[in-house]
Amino acid sequence: DAGVIQSPRHEVTEMGQEVTLRCKPISGHNSLFWYRQTMMRGLELLIYFNNNVPIDDSGMPEDRFSAKMPNASFSTLKIQPSEPRDSAVYFCASSLNLGNHEQYFGPGTRLTVT
Amino acid sequence: KQEVTQIPAALSVPEGENLVLNCSFTDSAIYNLQWFRQDPGKGLTSLLLIQSSQREQTSGRLNASLDKSSGRSTLYIAASQPGDSATYLCAVGEWDTGRRALTFGSGTRLQVQP
Repeated sequence: DAGVIQSPRHEVTEMGQEVTLRCKPISGHNSLFWYRQTMMRGLELLIYFNNNVPIDDSGMPEDRFSAKMPNASFSTLKIQPSEPRDSAVYFCASSLNLGNHEQYFGPGTRLTVT
Repeated sequence: KQEVTQIPAALSVPEGENLVLNCSFTDSAIYNLQWFRQDPGKGLTSLLLIQSSQREQTSGRLNASLDKSSGRSTLYIAASQPGDSATYLCAVGEWDTGRRALTFGSGTRLQVQP
C-alpha cells in the first residue's frame, strides 16, 4: 500500500489567496484526520471524518478553514483567505475506524503564507 | 481538557545506551496511547500502539508501558543507535469526551551520538 498521500508537499502563497490541501487515505480506512503542526503549538487536531462524515470540527481555528470528504478516497482542507499565521505543516492521517485503531500519517504539506 | 507532557524535551546519549522517554497525561480515561517517531522535515511514523486494557507493547528494541491509573507511559529504547535520532511523540486517544482523535505531547528530541 502507498500509505497516506498528501499533495502538494510544499505550498507558498501570498496572504489573501485560497489554499487547498489534498489527502488520499489508505484504501479501506474509514476514518480520516487533519492535524496542524507548528513550533509554538505542536500537533493539533483540526477535524476528523468517519465514513466520509465530519464528526468533530471543534479544532478548526476559524471560519476561514473548511474541510470536505466527498468520497472514501479523497479529502480536502481549504483555507480562504489565507493569512501568515496559517503557516504550518498540515498532516492528514487515516485509521481503519474510530477508536482502538492505529493512525497512519501522511508526509504532510508545508504551507508558507507570505 | 486532556494535556500530554513529555519529559525530557531533549536528550543526547552515546550510542549503545539504554534510555527511557516519559509521557504523562492528565485524564486517565483514555482508550489507547500511541508512540510516534518524527524525523526532521518528515511525517510521523507509528512505533507502538497500546490499548487501554494493555500494560505494555514491544517491537524489536522498543518497549512501551502504560499505567492508566497514574497517567503515565514510558518508551524504552534498548541499545540505542545513531539511526534512532529523531523526535519521539506520545499521543493519547480520549474516551470520556467522545472525541475519537489523538492529543499529542510536545515530543522528546533524541540525539544518539556515534
